[in-house]
Amino acid sequence: GENVEQHPSTLSVQEGDSAVIKCTYSDSASNYFPWYKQELGKRPQLIIDIRSNVGEKKDQRIAVTLNKTAKHFSLHITETQPEDSAVYFCAASMGNQGGKLIFGQGTELSVKP
Amino acid sequence: GAVVSQHPSWVICKSGTSVKIECRSLDFQATTMFWYRQFPKQSLMLMATSNEGSKATYEQGVEKDKFLINHASLTLSTLTVTSAHPEDSSFYICSAGKPAAAYNEQFFGPGTRLTVL
Repeated sequence: GENVEQHPSTLSVQEGDSAVIKCTYSDSASNYFPWYKQELGKRPQLIIDIRSNVGEKKDQRIAVTLNKTAKHFSLHITETQPEDSAVYFCAASMGNQGGKLIFGQGTELSVKP
Repeated sequence: GAVVSQHPSWVICKSGTSVKIECRSLDFQATTMFWYRQFPKQSLMLMATSNEGSKATYEQGVEKDKFLINHASLTLSTLTVTSAHPEDSSFYICSAGKPAAAYNEQFFGPGTRLTVL
């Protein structure tokens, strides 16, 4: 089955710097790659997603890139702010399996003022 | 909108008892719902996929007789943890797939914190 690896597990940056989180997936049939932000005790919040027919997507300070050949995708956060501090999860989904999501291990991002 | 609710938000029970958690899609019909479990400082682990009117599909390693899932309507799925033990203490999160949503976008409930004493 699908396996998603996420790195790094923790990331500490200074306010204003950029943060990059990387994920790899195993099944080439995966076609949907969302990123979630989760605060302690809360539900995962979708922050951006990308489909397999697109290589890059940007939404203000957040961007995601996808390399289908290498089977990896990355989250880029620019001009980080303390409120960006949270745990971020990548996930991969295959349309032919009812849409189930397989999550990466998570990255705890800390933005220091 | 696409709002998913869960009830209860937290529950404490004694070892050996059963606990039922409800997941509802409030403003759309969800043909598919998913149940995840999340231990502290860990990722979300998919437990099962629940389809309305049919048996749930469990992930490898998840005991279907211990985690009973019922998806009786297009807006309600329930997870019953039977004979709960302290190791079942976790954060349980459901999500629902919206038929018209882009690709496989899922909408998450707020989660249920289960503590088994």
